[in-house]
Amino acid sequence: AQTVTQSQPEMSVQEAETVTLSCTYDTSESDYYLFWYKQPPSRQMILVIRQEAYKQQNATENRFSVNFQKAAKSFSLKISDSQLGDAAMYFCAYKGNNDMRFGAGTRLTVKP
Amino acid sequence: KAGVTQTPRYLIKTRGQQVTLSCSPISGHRSVSWYQQTPGQGLQFLFEYFSETQRNKGNFPGRFSGRQFSNSRSEMNVSTLELGDSALYLCASSPYGGARYGYTFGSGTRLTVV
Repeated sequence: AQTVTQSQPEMSVQEAETVTLSCTYDTSESDYYLFWYKQPPSRQMILVIRQEAYKQQNATENRFSVNFQKAAKSFSLKISDSQLGDAAMYFCAYKGNNDMRFGAGTRLTVKP
Repeated sequence: KAGVTQTPRYLIKTRGQQVTLSCSPISGHRSVSWYQQTPGQGLQFLFEYFSETQRNKGNFPGRFSGRQFSNSRSEMNVSTLELGDSALYLCASSPYGGARYGYTFGSGTRLTVV
């Protein structure tokens, strides 16, 4: 079964600085997608960034970028120029042939 | 374009009762998935519906059931509620259910069982 591990329950970053959230996963599938979702106090899961496993190029969305290491099964999220609005729970997720699997989440605090 | 709408936002039920939650997907989306989110277990997959058919089911007891209507709206039902069913229930819609097209989540229904 596919599992997703986020080893950092909490992270903190100073406003305008850069922070990296870690995620590893375990799978025997070759075709899959990886996601980072953000869940603010409003509870809605908001898609931050998506990576197709067959693409070697790391996905980028404005201040958000990933470091996808397929062989190491690692998928970290880098947030540059952190803003107060980035404070939230961040979930790493895996989607292969079956249901989407989520990590336990990382709570990100942004200090002014 | 309206997002995924879940109703009600909050719900308080008594142990032993049953409850029905509703999810209206984004217009044109035919796939609806349901998740249970608790502090202890995190996000767990309940089931996925596509064109009124259950396509996938998570590891939950038979007290948890769902259905999807011809307009793609979905409901999930929990019978004989237990205290452990207290959770945030999230639904997500997708055009076809595959990750290629992404999933959009609603704001969830917070269920409290007393």
